[in-house]
Amino acid sequence: AQSVTQPDIHITVSEGASLELRCNYSYGATPYLFWYVQSPGQGLQLLLKYFSGDTLVQGIKGFEAEFKRSQSSFNLRKPSVHWSDAAEYFCAVGAPGGSQGNLIFGKGTKLSVKP
Amino acid sequence: KAGVTQTPRYLIKTRGQQVTLSCSPISGHRSVSWYQQTPGQGLQFLFEYFSETQRNKGNFPGRFSGRQFSNSRSEMNVSTLELGDSALYLCASSPQGGDYTQYFGPGTRLTVL
Repeated sequence: AQSVTQPDIHITVSEGASLELRCNYSYGATPYLFWYVQSPGQGLQLLLKYFSGDTLVQGIKGFEAEFKRSQSSFNLRKPSVHWSDAAEYFCAVGAPGGSQGNLIFGKGTKLSVKP
Repeated sequence: KAGVTQTPRYLIKTRGQQVTLSCSPISGHRSVSWYQQTPGQGLQFLFEYFSETQRNKGNFPGRFSGRQFSNSRSEMNVSTLELGDSALYLCASSPQGGDYTQYFGPGTRLTVL
C-alpha cells in the first residue's frame, strides 16, 4: 500500500532563511507526486507536481521540489522564506494507473516564520 | 475559470442529525473527490465520483454517502451524526484523462455538538 511520511510536524525558520520540507513515500514504482499548501481555515492550494522527466520541478510562490528515486523522496525547498509562507504543507502521492481521484496525503508540516 | 466552490462553509449540527454538503467543481471537470480532514487523522479520502458514478470509496462507514449530478456537481451526506464527524470536509475536482492533479475547494467546517 502506498504511504507518505512527512517527518517534521512543525518547523520554524527565520524570514529570509532557506527552507526544506521533507517528504518520503512508499510505492512500488514512481508515483505522481504533489505538494499542497493550506492556510488556516482554507482549502489546499497546489504548489507543484511531478509526473515524469526533469527531477527538479518549479512551482508557484518561488517553491521547487526535487524527486530522488533512490531515496523515495520529494523534498520541497525555497531559498528565502517570506512571512506569508507560514502555513501547513502537505505532500501527496497518486498511483499511476490507479484511482485518479484518490491521493494519499502525508500528515503535514506546519511552518512558522520568525520575523 | 472559477474555482471549486463548497456550500455551506460552516455548519453546526447535533448528534443524530444528518447533513448534506455541496460541491461545484471547476467548469469542465468531471471527477469530484471528497476528503475528511481532522487534526488526529489528517486528510482521509472519502469517495470519488466520475460521470455520476462512484468510482472509488475510502474506508468510512455507510453513514457517509455521496452522489454526483449530470452537471458534475456533487453532494455528500452524513446520516446519524457522531461527535467524531466534526471535521473539515474538502471537495476536489480533476479534469478527465490522465492528469491526477486535484484542485480543492475551501471546505465545509462541520461541528457536531
